[in-house]
Parts: sequence; C-alpha cells; structure tokens
Amino acid sequence: ETGVTQSPTHLIKTRGQQVTLRCSSQSGHNTVSWYQQALGQGPQFIFQYYREEENGRGNFPPRFSGLQFPNYSSELNVNALELDDSALYLCASSLAAGWGETQYFGPGTRLLVL
Amino acid sequence: RKEVEQDPGPFNVPEGATVAFNCTYSNSASQSFFWYRQDCRKEPKLLMSVYSSGNEDGRFTAQLNRASQYISLLIRDSKLSDSATYLCVVKGLKAAGNKLTFGGGTRVLVKP
Repeated sequence: ETGVTQSPTHLIKTRGQQVTLRCSSQSGHNTVSWYQQALGQGPQFIFQYYREEENGRGNFPPRFSGLQFPNYSSELNVNALELDDSALYLCASSLAAGWGETQYFGPGTRLLVL
Repeated sequence: RKEVEQDPGPFNVPEGATVAFNCTYSNSASQSFFWYRQDCRKEPKLLMSVYSSGNEDGRFTAQLNRASQYISLLIRDSKLSDSATYLCVVKGLKAAGNKLTFGGGTRVLVKP
C-alpha cells in the first residue's frame, strides 16, 4: 500500500450541499494533488498543494477549494454540489512538488450527489 | 480534442495471448509518459514509465513514438490477473508543474 489514506470512503449528498474530503499524505511527503474521476473516465487534475499553498490548478470552478495543514494532510471542499460532481475523488502525495516526483495515490472517496 | 486519447475497449483476450493498445497525445511538448493500471473501484497504480528507446518490464513492453505522438503497451502471455483498466498518463513541460494528465483508460479482460 502507498500509505496515503482518504476519508470517508463513500459519501452521499444532495444537490446544493457542501462536502469536505480528507487526505493524509504518506510520511515525509509535503505535496498533495487532488483528482476527480468520473465513471468511465480517467482522473482529472483539480489542484495541488505544496507546503500549505496552492501550487497549480486544473480547469475546475472556484467552488472546488482546498487546504493543506502543517502536517501536510489536506482537505478538498466542494460547495453547491451538482449532480456532475458525482465521482471518485483521489488524492496523491509526493515527496515534493518537483516535476519528476512520483505521485502515490490513496484509495479515493466515492461521492454520489443526488 | 482531448489531450490524451485511448480506445476504451474492452479488449477481450484469451489467457496466454498477446494484446497491444495505443494512446495518442495532443501536446507535442509533452515530456514524460507512463502507464498506470487501475483495478475496478481501486486507485490507479504506476505500472511503468515509458522511455524514448522503449522499455520492457517482464511481460509488459512500452513504446513511445514522438513523431506520431503515441505510446503503446503490449502485454505478452496474458494472465487472468492482467484484467484491469490501463491508463495512459502524460506530463507536460516542467514549467507546467507536477500534474498528471490521464487518458480515459483502456479496459482489458483476460478470459480463460
């Protein structure tokens, strides 16, 4: 296993609600990236956090926001949930934010929006 | 046009047979290439990096064709345990940061 953990494993919400997903990075890793994987598609990059700062963002609206804490764990927050937000949310940690660093994925949180 | 495109499959493969599939990428400046494996309802796991000269890891062979902007994966002597979705992954220029761009995946089903 990668040592990256995510919680919760599954979540059901209704449209308009807000959700917070959590990720604990592998020991010694200071960078966390978040990805959204809709059913039948590949993961899409949401954003990356490095030493508590956002360090790159994909094509996602501002209602997707994040945080990284001093222990390098991270949260993904999604406001005003839409049906299309239903997906597997993956976080990946890496030793640093450098281009060549390998990303290790957690098991994901499966979000269903009704 | 998607940045990384893959045939979704499924590729139905008899056990012991060879299967190969490609992935095309649109950004000619892409620098780094990988194949990930994803089992049903699990996270993606790195299968292998893809080098310009081509590389092999056991029964798996990856090739890169920069001129035509595609990478390939070949699996020899397929095992039932090779059944999975194979994700093609591309990294851009270093200035773009450590962001992975995934294709939609190719599903492979190995049958007895």
